[in-house]
Amino acid sequence: GAVVSQHPSWVICKSGTSVKIECRSLDFQATTMFWYRQFPKQSLMLMATSNEGSKATYEQGVEKDKFLINHASLTLSTLTVTSAHPEDSSFYICSASLAGTTDTQYFGPGTRLTVL
Amino acid sequence: KNEVEQSPQNLTAQEGEFITINCSYSVGISALHWLQQHPGGGIVSLFMLSSGKKKHGRLIATINIQEKHSSLHITASHPRDSAVYICAVIKAAGNKLTFGGGTRVLVKP
Repeated sequence: GAVVSQHPSWVICKSGTSVKIECRSLDFQATTMFWYRQFPKQSLMLMATSNEGSKATYEQGVEKDKFLINHASLTLSTLTVTSAHPEDSSFYICSASLAGTTDTQYFGPGTRLTVL
Repeated sequence: KNEVEQSPQNLTAQEGEFITINCSYSVGISALHWLQQHPGGGIVSLFMLSSGKKKHGRLIATINIQEKHSSLHITASHPRDSAVYICAVIKAAGNKLTFGGGTRVLVKP
């Protein structure tokens, strides 16, 4: 149980376009979802925390207008990278938990974004 | 200095060897996670600890809250254990995961 999926698993796009990444909890309802970014050989960096039905809380330095997060249901959160640039190329990972951050987080498989 | 430090950064072992990865933290926490990240990037949550010791198969995780230290042990290591192991804590005063830098483990056959 407790499976989290992400779609797509990888995407290549042209500079200036927008890319949407989906994160789904397949067999449980996730009250909270988290979006992370990971650059090569670096650790994960939290971008934002998303609670179902409310606005996401962004970490310092993360542009909320560039990284749009929507958590419309208890099983789906989306991250849209708007007007992507090559420096946005990274590995984006979501995680989901049942009851906020004190509960176990279940991680998705990640989405590798390459912006040309 | 990072709030969560892992050692070693890299570790190479022969198949069958006992492996220990250490995690020290400098903040009060409510829980500590051990995560495994395979070369493809996917992350698996191995353990969540707030005290004591947990065991799952060949993996054992311990935590000493007073000493602010946790260890992850792999017994009878196998090449499929090759991965990056990440320690992450949830601060007592906050609600987010703070990550260590990871330990890259390579188990040779």
